[in-house]
Amino acid sequence: DIQMTQSPSSLPASLGDRVTITCRASQDIGNYLRWFQQKPGKSPRLMIYGATNLAAGVPSRFSGSRSGSDYSLTINSLESEDMAIYYCLQHNEYPPTFGGGTKLELK
Amino acid sequence: QVQLQQSGAELVKPGSSVKISCKASGYTFTSYDMHWIKQQPGNGLEWIGWIYPGNGNTKYNQKFNGKATLTADKSSSTAYMQLSSLTSEDSAVYFCARGHGGPRDWGQGVMVTVSS
Repeated sequence: DIQMTQSPSSLPASLGDRVTITCRASQDIGNYLRWFQQKPGKSPRLMIYGATNLAAGVPSRFSGSRSGSDYSLTINSLESEDMAIYYCLQHNEYPPTFGGGTKLELK
Repeated sequence: QVQLQQSGAELVKPGSSVKISCKASGYTFTSYDMHWIKQQPGNGLEWIGWIYPGNGNTKYNQKFNGKATLTADKSSSTAYMQLSSLTSEDSAVYFCARGHGGPRDWGQGVMVTVSS
């Protein structure tokens, strides 16, 4: 199975900060990478698909990028509603595999 | 809008089976894969498998072969997952999610608790 190594596992940040979360794939996954946001007691919400494409209804302060086997989710000007756990998912090869998650919390 | 309404929480005994449902609305049920995902506290997310309701084709994570069985009823736009020979390791929240290639839109999740 493809391993998705996500970092950091915890990210304290302040409102207005710019933050970046990264997933490294153990094998080539092309751009078959999605980012999800999950708030406590809720189901995951798609934020980014195809590594760089913003899902419908997602604020423009969110963006996705790729550099080789590293995939990043960046949030510009952090807002309180962005506090959540973020997961990456590769779906290039079966089985699809998730990163371990990054808990974004207020500093 | 797309809605995936899952059945309610389950408390089941070790060794038994459970069947949970996911009723879809707001889109053509037979045109999208339905994925199932397991989430245990502190253990992140695991992909179980998908079913394509249009023709009943399935694909499973090898880890869940023999544990999970996916079915779909086109007449009611409902997908099902049966979990068998339950142990404490199966206690988790289970999500259905539609999507091509990978999960996209998720149901609210079903908590399954395995306890005697």
